[in-house]
Amino acid sequence: GQNIDQPTEMTATEGAIVQINCTYQTSGFNGLFWYQQHAGEAPTFLSYNVLDGLEEKGRFSSFLSRSKGYSYLLLKELQMKDSASYLCAVGDSNYQLIWGAGTKLIIKP
Amino acid sequence: ETGVTQTPRHLVMGMTNKKSLKCEQHLGHNAMYWYKQSAKKPLELMFVYNFKEQTENNSVPSRFSPECPNSSHLFLHLHTLQPEDSALYLCASSPSLERANYNEQFFGPGTRLTVL
Repeated sequence: GQNIDQPTEMTATEGAIVQINCTYQTSGFNGLFWYQQHAGEAPTFLSYNVLDGLEEKGRFSSFLSRSKGYSYLLLKELQMKDSASYLCAVGDSNYQLIWGAGTKLIIKP
Repeated sequence: ETGVTQTPRHLVMGMTNKKSLKCEQHLGHNAMYWYKQSAKKPLELMFVYNFKEQTENNSVPSRFSPECPNSSHLFLHLHTLQPEDSALYLCASSPSLERANYNEQFFGPGTRLTVL
């Protein structure tokens, strides 16, 4: 079967760094996506990895290891506005996105 | 604003009602999607349209009926729903289904549906 696992909830402190992990088992692989979803709002695209390694985009970075079926999203210099759910999704062999349940990130002052 | 709009934003309906959800995208995309989002569960893909043709129907009950009159508009017609159908219904669009690196999806704000 197809499965995406990520922690349900994490808590971090403003100004700190947090790493949100995602492991996956899918039929085929056509890239891994991270989305951010604030409460009551639509998910918005953060990053896309298709090759192994680290992609950096400002305060956010995303890492992929295809051999391990593993990715993480790294958030630096955390701000209160980063409080949101972070969704991991993998493109399968049909180019459909298989979604994780999301990680709710709580930022404390 | 993501370029994808959904109406209504909130809907309360009885189990015998018939209602429709509307989605419109202004991005010139060719693929459109309906998702169901329930609390603490992964997004569930319901329907996919590519160039107005339905390409995916993930075992969705027949009480949900999609319609895609053109590549910019997508409807979800609802009838005789059950309380467990209460959820956030999200519409999304993407440039294309065929090319993985074009599969970034742009989401609308969703319709919060409550079935009494």
